[in-house]
Amino acid sequence: GAGVSQSPSNKVTEKGKDVELRCDPISGHTALYWYRQSLGQGLEFLIYFQGNSAPDKSGLPSDRFSAERTGGSVSTLTIQRTQQEDSAVYLCASSTTDTAYNSPLHFGNGTRLTVT
Amino acid sequence: GQSLEQPSEVTAVEGAIVQINCTYQTSGFYGLSWYQQHDGGAPTFLSYNALDGLEETGRFSSFLSRSDSYGYLLLQELQMKDSASYFCAVRDPNQGGKLIFGQGTELSVKP
Repeated sequence: GAGVSQSPSNKVTEKGKDVELRCDPISGHTALYWYRQSLGQGLEFLIYFQGNSAPDKSGLPSDRFSAERTGGSVSTLTIQRTQQEDSAVYLCASSTTDTAYNSPLHFGNGTRLTVT
Repeated sequence: GQSLEQPSEVTAVEGAIVQINCTYQTSGFYGLSWYQQHDGGAPTFLSYNALDGLEETGRFSSFLSRSDSYGYLLLQELQMKDSASYFCAVRDPNQGGKLIFGQGTELSVKP
């Protein structure tokens, strides 16, 4: 595709419900990243994938958060039993590889999650 | 761990030059990147410096001093459309893929 695609663009959910956020990376990009951004804040790393494996899950805030990637392409970030503090914009990015340090990240427009 | 510091806000007038500084602390260093994010939009890559010195790309330039753990983004001939947040970022030396971002500098360009 032309760029990183994320869906939905907006999600409003009730506290305690589960949500799934989807990311479609740029075709051929082997590395995929999830970040979270609260209003007016920086980008908080959550997890990244190289292919289908996740070498670094250190940023996941709790065990309510999980992510998977299948076929080296689409990734899903799942938040179980959502809490109000989970409200944020969830950004996905992809790059050609995670081992070339100058390989830029290409971001999607994010999913704005609001937990009421 | 890794940490980056940059000013939270900068204001400048159209046509002026502005410099956004970034200092970093990291146990290993694999280059400094800059990203731009317009309000409500996706961050977009601006530049990457692995070696000391100035890299120029049009109106934007980025500088790095590895000995000082310091870099800056220089924006010349400011335009209203340059109003955005600017983030510096470094790779995590322990887990090479992860990019760690500063808190961002919000640039406001006034007419």
